[in-house]
Amino acid sequence: NAGVTQTPKFRVLKTGQSMTLLCAQDMNHEYMYWYRQDPGMGLRLIHYSVGEGTTAKGEVPDGYNVSRLKKQNFLLGLESAAPSQTSVYFCASSYSGGALYEQYFGPGTRLTVT
Amino acid sequence: GIQVEQSPPDLILQEGANSTLRCNFSDSVNNLQWFHQNPWGQLINLFYIPSGTKQNGRLSATTVATERYSLLYISSSQTTDSGVYFCAVGPRDSNYQLIWGAGTKLIIKP
Repeated sequence: NAGVTQTPKFRVLKTGQSMTLLCAQDMNHEYMYWYRQDPGMGLRLIHYSVGEGTTAKGEVPDGYNVSRLKKQNFLLGLESAAPSQTSVYFCASSYSGGALYEQYFGPGTRLTVT
Repeated sequence: GIQVEQSPPDLILQEGANSTLRCNFSDSVNNLQWFHQNPWGQLINLFYIPSGTKQNGRLSATTVATERYSLLYISSSQTTDSGVYFCAVGPRDSNYQLIWGAGTKLIIKP
């Protein structure tokens, strides 16, 4: 049981390049989330999904797209990277929503955009 | 929206000391979690505690939902306790959102 995994762990992009971050969970969780963490701050929600085939915007969605084609995977895409997207990206999952939805986090992806 | 404030922002202690970290929130919540982010950046779930008291080894947490605060207690600190402790809350009108505090940076000196 690996929990939540993320690939890659590190990435350096040039401005304007694109990339996709992959999140996978093996806990059969319905909900999945993408967050970003900037230095000295807590996490902010980018996008989330309440089930296979669904996605929704979070607090800071601009410049990102997501897809949830399979229940266990949640992809985060950057179409045209900008230096402001330099951050650490965390994926999380939870069994459901409502009052019993403890979120479990992956190890993070450190992205630098030059 | 809901505000989450953590105190103190920084805490430096000697190994073996006890500490209390506080999380205040401005509205009703249906979820509250405490996390430890270690120096390598990994987020570790400590407690899921929207109300009541829980204990796990040297760590314990109490949430008084009616007074809108939660406390994390660390006893007999070890150097491996160093890192940033985050409180995150889920607003009562949301079934997905976690709003994060800015964290308490804890340094345990040997």
